[in-house]
Amino acid sequence: GENVEQHPSTLSVQEGDSAVIKCTYSDSASNYFPWYKQELGKRPQLIIDIRSNVGEKKDQRIAVTLNKTAKHFSLHITETQPEDSAVYFCAARNAGNQFYFGTGTSLTVIP
Amino acid sequence: NAGVTQTPKFQVLKTGQSMTLQCAQDMNHEYMSWYRQDPGMGLRLIHYSVGAGITDQGEVPNGYNVSRSTTEDFPLRLLSAAPSQTSVYFCASTTGRGSSPLHFGNGTRLTVT
Repeated sequence: GENVEQHPSTLSVQEGDSAVIKCTYSDSASNYFPWYKQELGKRPQLIIDIRSNVGEKKDQRIAVTLNKTAKHFSLHITETQPEDSAVYFCAARNAGNQFYFGTGTSLTVIP
Repeated sequence: NAGVTQTPKFQVLKTGQSMTLQCAQDMNHEYMSWYRQDPGMGLRLIHYSVGAGITDQGEVPNGYNVSRSTTEDFPLRLLSAAPSQTSVYFCASTTGRGSSPLHFGNGTRLTVT
């Protein structure tokens, strides 16, 4: 299997500040790491992803970094806005194509 | 394309009843899976399938059965519902190749009394 740990479980930031969420994984064969945003009562939606042969990926205000050696990856959101408030999940896909998820981070952006 | 379609959206069962949660996808994805979501515990893998006729257990398979007779459909059966199975259930699919993420259905909120 795979074990994904995610921290922090809750995060509050002022509007305009940055938010960072960190995840670690246990299976060194995991090769793909997506991040999902879930609004209340909705399904998880992909916001960014990274493959194991890439160290960093950026999409406007969102970036993800991956350290394969240390087996950890992080989500960075800059210039946060109230609409960024949601629960964020990291995930790791192992060699058998199963996706394992972290326990989620509830982000609150205070206007 | 409808993507991943789950039915029903809501369900209330009494302890001991059985039911089937339906899931269908129209993206010709080989890989399908079921997750349950409980507060503070993220999404936990129940069962998955890598193609028609092939299923396997995930992290929390007890009390659930699945089958995959076609590429499109992947139903989840609760054999004898228990209060511990009160949860939100998500079906998801992916090609399983390259940078292909999981595509989720809208979820089924199940309450067992």
